[in-house]
Amino acid sequence: KQEVTQIPAALSVPEGENLVLNCSFTDSAIYNLQWFRQDPGKGLTSLLLIQSSQREQTSGRLNASLDKSSGRSTLYIAASQPGDSATYLCAVFQGAQKLVFGQGTRLTINP
Amino acid sequence: DVKVTQSSRYLVKRTGEKVFLECVQDMDHENMFWYRQDPGLGLRLIYFSYDVKMKEKGDIPEGYSVSREKKERFSLILESASTNQTSMYLCASSFRKRFPYQPQHFGDGTRLSIL
Repeated sequence: KQEVTQIPAALSVPEGENLVLNCSFTDSAIYNLQWFRQDPGKGLTSLLLIQSSQREQTSGRLNASLDKSSGRSTLYIAASQPGDSATYLCAVFQGAQKLVFGQGTRLTINP
Repeated sequence: DVKVTQSSRYLVKRTGEKVFLECVQDMDHENMFWYRQDPGLGLRLIYFSYDVKMKEKGDIPEGYSVSREKKERFSLILESASTNQTSMYLCASSFRKRFPYQPQHFGDGTRLSIL
């Protein structure tokens, strides 16, 4: 059974820093991986989708990488801003097009 | 832009009531999903549907049923609500035929309290 782990559970950094969020998964037979952002009390906003054949995807200040063989993905946020404060979730797609989620990393950017 | 709309942001019901949560998407997606999200447990899949009138059980289907009479609408039904079904419920949708090239899109969630 696929398990997705995100470490750390919470992270607090000063504004302007570059930071990396980590995601690991136990079964490398995935179709793709998706990173989401969730603001308190809200739904999930899709940030990036990396297909299993890709190594990375970029959107603005965000860059996500995928290493299937080692079962790892990272989300890099450049020049962090207070508006980046949120919970970040990674999820992997497996059979039947279902997502398996990690528990998330709660990120706080301090002004 | 993809729009997944959940009918209520907040809902309060009583134990034993039959509860309906509605979800509508406007992108002609084949797949629709219902999740619940609880602190410490993360997001768990309740049911999903890959076509009209089709449904598949997810990881935690007990106490729930679903209905998909039209492509754009997917309903979650709590047959007899219990306090342990108090949770945040999230609906999502995606293209089946364009998998794995398209992401899954989520609604804003319904925070359901069962008293």
